[in-house]
Amino acid sequence: AQKVTQAQTEISVVEKEDVTLDCVYETRDTTYYLFWYKQPPSGELVFLIRRNSFDEQNEISGRYSWNFQKSTSSFNFTITASQVVDSAVYFCALRSYNTDKLIFGTGTRLQVFP
Amino acid sequence: GAGVSQSPSNKVTEKGKDVELRCDPISGHTALYWYRQSLGQGLEFLIYFQGNSAPDKSGLPSDRFSAERTGGSVSTLTIQRTQQEDSAVYLCASSLGTGYQQREQYFGPGTRLTVT
Repeated sequence: AQKVTQAQTEISVVEKEDVTLDCVYETRDTTYYLFWYKQPPSGELVFLIRRNSFDEQNEISGRYSWNFQKSTSSFNFTITASQVVDSAVYFCALRSYNTDKLIFGTGTRLQVFP
Repeated sequence: GAGVSQSPSNKVTEKGKDVELRCDPISGHTALYWYRQSLGQGLEFLIYFQGNSAPDKSGLPSDRFSAERTGGSVSTLTIQRTQQEDSAVYLCASSLGTGYQQREQYFGPGTRLTVT
């Protein structure tokens, strides 16, 4: 069975702090894809990143970085120098190579206070 | 360019009535997906279309739920005889290709359905 676990329900930080959102996944497939989406208060899910299972290179995009470790089945997301605009619910998702549906975690609500 | 659009943005209906939710995917996207977001169940997959065909309907919760897509573009999700547990935000997404060729799924703003 496939499963995504985001153990952190809610995180609160003060602006400029770094914050890491955890994501642990379960799958028996050797080929799969991992995603992060952001859902701001407006409600629309915004795509952030896609990672293939055969590519374990970490990625950095501005203040965002992602750490993919197959050995621990984790795909963690770090925001450096957080800002109030980063406040949102963040979802990690998994898709197997032979299906088209996304399996979502329960999300982590991040609140960044000024 | 234009993103995924959904209508209506909000729908309040009485228990037992039928509702139709509409999704307009991004132009050129061949795959279209419906998800449901509710407090108790999180984000759940309902159904997806490749063109006008629905290879995976495994997430539809009951036979009261159906969906169709015409012309490889607009899709309609229909819920018959609505129940209070159908209250949720219904999200539509689209993507280029499926399977190995699938790219990211881009989501619309959702339709918030409230069944009274």
